[in-house]
Amino acid sequence: EIVMTQSPVTLSVSPGESATLSCRANQSIATNLAWYQQKRGQPPRLLIYGASTRATDIPARFTGSGSGTDFTLTISSLQSEDFAVYYCQQYNNWLQRTFGQGTKVEV
Amino acid sequence: QLHLQESGPGLVKPSETLSLTCSVSGGSVRSTSYFWGWVRQPPGKALEWIGSISHIDSPYYNPSFNSRVTISRDASKNQFSLQLTSVTAADTALYYCASLPSGYVDHWGQGILVSVSS
Repeated sequence: EIVMTQSPVTLSVSPGESATLSCRANQSIATNLAWYQQKRGQPPRLLIYGASTRATDIPARFTGSGSGTDFTLTISSLQSEDFAVYYCQQYNNWLQRTFGQGTKVEV
Repeated sequence: QLHLQESGPGLVKPSETLSLTCSVSGGSVRSTSYFWGWVRQPPGKALEWIGSISHIDSPYYNPSFNSRVTISRDASKNQFSLQLTSVTAADTALYYCASLPSGYVDHWGQGILVSVSS
């Protein structure tokens, strides 16, 4: 099983600052990684796929990077609407696609 | 723009079968561009992959469900479904249906809360 570990669990940031979220796989997944944002009471929203490709209508302040086992989501100049929980998901193994445990970005 | 909507009972008894349906609009479950899948989220917890099905009805299931899960597709109704047998309290979760252009989800339903309780 491919295990995805996200860090930190909680990230405290002020509006206007940048946030760096980490996602690590326990084996190589190439660039088969997606990032999602989930706000309270809402379904997740796709932000990034292929480790670095922004999904439709996602602002340029969201940047994904990495390959192999280590991945990063950077949110520059945080807006109030960016405070949410962020999940990474690997799809290198189609039988058992797995999500990380999430990082909560809070004020 | 794809729109997905889950439906089904919100309460299931232990040991029984959970059955949910996802209605698709703005697109077709016959599309060769998409897979169709299910993800769940226990209250206050992380997302968990359940499985998906292709336009040729080839399913991919999370082995963690130990053969309890079946995903099927009804092209005539433009729907796909989830069945999870022998449920326990651990299966209480918000269940999302999803569209997948590849291995990731690009559209999600709003989710349906299913509680397992006698």
